[in-house]
Amino acid sequence: DAGVTQSPTHLIKTRGQQVTLRCSPISGHKSVSWYQQVLGQGPQFIFQYYEKEERGRGNFPDRFSARQFPNYSSELNVNALLLGDSALYLCASSLPPGTGLTGELFFGEGSRLTVL
Amino acid sequence: AQSVAQPEDQVNVAEGNPLTVKCTYSVSGNPYLFWYVQYPNRGLQFLLKYITGDNLVKGSYGFEAEFNKSQTSFHLKKPSALVSDSALYFCAVRDMGRGGFKTIFGAGTRLFVKA
Repeated sequence: DAGVTQSPTHLIKTRGQQVTLRCSPISGHKSVSWYQQVLGQGPQFIFQYYEKEERGRGNFPDRFSARQFPNYSSELNVNALLLGDSALYLCASSLPPGTGLTGELFFGEGSRLTVL
Repeated sequence: AQSVAQPEDQVNVAEGNPLTVKCTYSVSGNPYLFWYVQYPNRGLQFLLKYITGDNLVKGSYGFEAEFNKSQTSFHLKKPSALVSDSALYFCAVRDMGRGGFKTIFGAGTRLFVKA
């Protein structure tokens, strides 16, 4: 079975531009989470989606938005890019709470965004 | 709010020696604790978890972790380190919210295993 896939793997943008990152979860996983990992730091929670609804949001500005599609894939959008948005953006899928499982995260390889 | 702390930025051990990577937690209620590993330019990989039950949890690649409620610690251990264990290790805690959840990660500890 395929793991979590993310695209693109690398991209370079300039300040003020907009970016869309994509994620396909593991088959059967209905929950998708997004994390930002700045170099030298731990991943920071951005969003969690389950059944196409936002179930959690981290401390990020409104420039960050996301959505989940009927096939459970997800997109993360960042508008008006700033230099500080340069980071590795990680998508993770999991089985949601209530399934009787503990919901450990399965991560993709990430999308490395560089903002110039 | 739930949180974890990893007091060491870096841990150095010789190959064949035991290793410990430290983690302390602060939670309300029962803790759901995890360890993940990250190799260079890769995503994170799940190693092990503590939900309930035995305080010694066994995971992937020969790693184990000891849950200590009185010391609010969840240290990662391995009896004999390998050079290939060199990576970035993250302790994490599950934070349940209304209708959803998030995983909160520590800052990470870089493990260097010298041959």
